[in-house]
Amino acid sequence: DQQVKQNSPSLSVQEGRISILNCDYTNSMFDYFLWYKKYPAEGPTFLISISSIKDKNEDGRFTVFLNKSAKHLSLHIVPSQPGDSAVYFCAASRNTGTASKLTFGTGTRLQVTL
Amino acid sequence: GAVVSQHPSWVICKSGTSVKIECRSLDFQATTMFWYRQFPKQSLMLMATSNEGSKATYEQGVEKDKFLINHASLTLSTLTVTSAHPEDSSFYICSQAGQQGQPQHFGDGTRLSIL
Repeated sequence: DQQVKQNSPSLSVQEGRISILNCDYTNSMFDYFLWYKKYPAEGPTFLISISSIKDKNEDGRFTVFLNKSAKHLSLHIVPSQPGDSAVYFCAASRNTGTASKLTFGTGTRLQVTL
Repeated sequence: GAVVSQHPSWVICKSGTSVKIECRSLDFQATTMFWYRQFPKQSLMLMATSNEGSKATYEQGVEKDKFLINHASLTLSTLTVTSAHPEDSSFYICSQAGQQGQPQHFGDGTRLSIL
């Protein structure tokens, strides 16, 4: 039972354009969402998060949008850079406590081309 | 800089061998750490929650006698894969629960290959 889904396994975007990565979840108890970036043979690196009390959080080139009614979140990267090429995972937890377990999506491989 | 150090980064060993993976918290004392496993082209799956000074909490379907977790100090959690077999070959990653309001930070993972 995949509670967090990333339906696009890959995405290719031209440098300078916007990258939009999507994530859907099924468990309405999730109330904290995160995006991680992962390079091969490395652990995930935290990018940005959002609490369910918000619908948008922005940090530099990265913006996360949350649509609770649709159980959908997205990560926008603008402008996209070649160094953004990696696998992006969304993750969800049931509360913002520091010891909360994370449920991960299957990841989207982003390729930013020149 | 890195806040979680995981060692070793790569292990190749024979079937039946036990393998220990270490996960160290570098920036603060982590009472809770997590162990995940990732098979190729799949998601990270939580295996267990490691609690300092007490028994680990295992996720459904994870054999606690096969995947031994020890969290004897506030900065070190270890995962031992006992009597490893080829099907245990995977990428194992640890993370530390963040300080209040902070997200989990992950180690760089250990690629385990059982021949």
